[in-house]
Amino acid sequence: GAVVSQHPSWVICKSGTSVKIECRSLDFQATTMFWYRQFPKQSLMLMATSNEGSKATYEQGVEKDKFLINHASLTLSTLTVTSAHPEDSSFYICSASGKEGLSNQPQHFGDGTRLSIL
Amino acid sequence: AQRVTQPEKLLSVFKGAPVELKCNYSYSGSPELFWYVQYSRQRLQLLLRHISRESIKGFTADLNKGETSFHLKKPFAQEEDSAMYYCALTGAAGNKLTFGGGTRVLVKP
Repeated sequence: GAVVSQHPSWVICKSGTSVKIECRSLDFQATTMFWYRQFPKQSLMLMATSNEGSKATYEQGVEKDKFLINHASLTLSTLTVTSAHPEDSSFYICSASGKEGLSNQPQHFGDGTRLSIL
Repeated sequence: AQRVTQPEKLLSVFKGAPVELKCNYSYSGSPELFWYVQYSRQRLQLLLRHISRESIKGFTADLNKGETSFHLKKPFAQEEDSAMYYCALTGAAGNKLTFGGGTRVLVKP
């Protein structure tokens, strides 16, 4: 159980293009979804937290107009990298967490999306 | 602010030897600590959480509040334990995870 599907796994596109990444919880309701960025040989850096039906909370230094997050349902969140540039090339990972009674479940992670901007 | 430190970037041990991955944290309240593992070409997976107090794949971790540590241990490492291991913490501010820098474990035959 607790499977998170992330799509696409790899995308290459031209500079200036907008790219949408989807994150779905397949067998549980994800009250909260998280988006991370991982640079080569580095740890995961949280970009933003999104709760279903409300605006995402962005970490310091993350441009909300650049990285648009939508969490319209309990099983789907999307991250759109708008007007992507080569410096946005990275590995983006989503995770999802549901509820265990009043407590939060641990986060379950997607496979990640490798984004390459030419 | 919450912070997680994994001082070792790489641990190389022989099969059958004990392995200990260090994790220290700073957090002003009562945190929840986790170990996540990432095998080659696979997604990040939850290995342990401190509140479960269980042993998974022979690994154990004890939360030491006095030393603010959550070290991961296994008495006899196996080759299939070779992976990247991340210590992580979540505090009172929702479910937000703060990750350590990760430790790569290489178990040699």
